[in-house]
Amino acid sequence: GESVGLHLPTLSVQEGDNSIINCAYSNSASDYFIWYKQESGKGPQFIIDIRSNMDKRQGQRVTVLLNKTVKHLSLQIAATQPGDSAVYFCAGSGGTSYGKLTFGQGTILTVHP
Amino acid sequence: SQTIHQWPATLVQPVGSPLSLECTVEGTSNPNLYWYRQAAGRGLQLLFYSVGIGQISSEVPQNLSASRPQDRQFILSSKKLLLSDSGFYLCAWAPMTTTNEKLFFGSGTQLSVL
Repeated sequence: GESVGLHLPTLSVQEGDNSIINCAYSNSASDYFIWYKQESGKGPQFIIDIRSNMDKRQGQRVTVLLNKTVKHLSLQIAATQPGDSAVYFCAGSGGTSYGKLTFGQGTILTVHP
Repeated sequence: SQTIHQWPATLVQPVGSPLSLECTVEGTSNPNLYWYRQAAGRGLQLLFYSVGIGQISSEVPQNLSASRPQDRQFILSSKKLLLSDSGFYLCAWAPMTTTNEKLFFGSGTQLSVL
């Protein structure tokens, strides 16, 4: 089955810096990956997703990179702002877990003004 | 546009009492529906998912059950709550397609079993 984990449970950055949050997965059959942002007491909000036929995808101030060789993906946030402070989750699905996202444990991002 | 409603937002229940959490989706038909649980604000665990009315798949053995009496209604229940049932419960939906898609989450229910 899918196993999705994160390298670091917390990340602190200064306002204006770029943030990089990493994630590893174990199921080579996974073909869809997604990043969510969750603020305290709220449901996760979609940030960006990527399919396995791509290596990189960009959104507004965010970029997701996928390295299928080492089963690793990352979320890059440019010019991090205090409003970006939240817990960030990566998730993946595919293969026998079709239609079901398996989530990592989350990284707490704290942005200092 | 599609919206998902989940209630109540918070719930405090005594051990041994029953539970019913409701989730409804608007603006879409035949969605896949999901119940996740989140402990201590970290990590989401899939509890149940449904691909149609009356079709429920359970991911983990537990004290909870789910039902889908209508296309856009998903209910999480328990006959007798345990202390370990405390947590943040999230309902989610996704379009029913042939490819994996992102889930859209509700606002969650914080359940405290005392």
